[in-house]
Amino acid sequence: AQSVSQHNHHVILSEAASLELGCNYSYGGTVNLFWYVQYPGQHLQLLLKYFSGDPLVKGIKGFEAEFIKSKFSFNLRKPSVQWSDTAEYFCAVKRGSQGNLIFGKGTKLSVKP
Amino acid sequence: GAGVSQSPSNKVTEKGKDVELRCDPISGHTALYWYRQSLGQGLEFLIYFQGNSAPDKSGLPSDRFSAERTGGSVSTLTIQRTQQEDSAVYLCASSLARSGLAEHYEQYFGPGTRLTVT
Repeated sequence: AQSVSQHNHHVILSEAASLELGCNYSYGGTVNLFWYVQYPGQHLQLLLKYFSGDPLVKGIKGFEAEFIKSKFSFNLRKPSVQWSDTAEYFCAVKRGSQGNLIFGKGTKLSVKP
Repeated sequence: GAGVSQSPSNKVTEKGKDVELRCDPISGHTALYWYRQSLGQGLEFLIYFQGNSAPDKSGLPSDRFSAERTGGSVSTLTIQRTQQEDSAVYLCASSLARSGLAEHYEQYFGPGTRLTVT
């Protein structure tokens, strides 16, 4: 079945540590890729997106992600996390002409001050 | 401008009762989506409306679930004869979706309705 996999369920880091959250998808056609973030008590917000062009995309708050087509991956990175990055992060895929997004199960990030 | 709004924010209902959840999309957005977020399950697609086209109902988990979108704007998700496994946060999203541009399909999410079935 077509799916989106996020490898880490819960990641705990200290402030200033580097972050990489994995995301792999199984769909072989054209895809648009997204990372959403959900801060505690808040609704989902778009962090960054890939539609076409440069596979390295930059988002808000210093986050970036790299689309590697050959690996079906779209990993999220940040060089130095802050306590305020504590949140749940969701990877999502839009397949071809399909309207809806397929989400991964999310990765909870806890940053210790 | 105003974002996607949903009501109620919280709903507690007894097993077997029907519930209606409302979504007001961003003005001018032609596409509207419903998702369900359950503990440990991530976000699950339910149904998608695009303009005047027939909705994509492929994600609805059972025939107890239905949704309509009136006048191309407000949408109502109805769950009949609620069960405890229906307890979740129900999220609505909308997108511009007015052309073939991929960027117009970026989805904006509402705050959700937390449904608890007792």
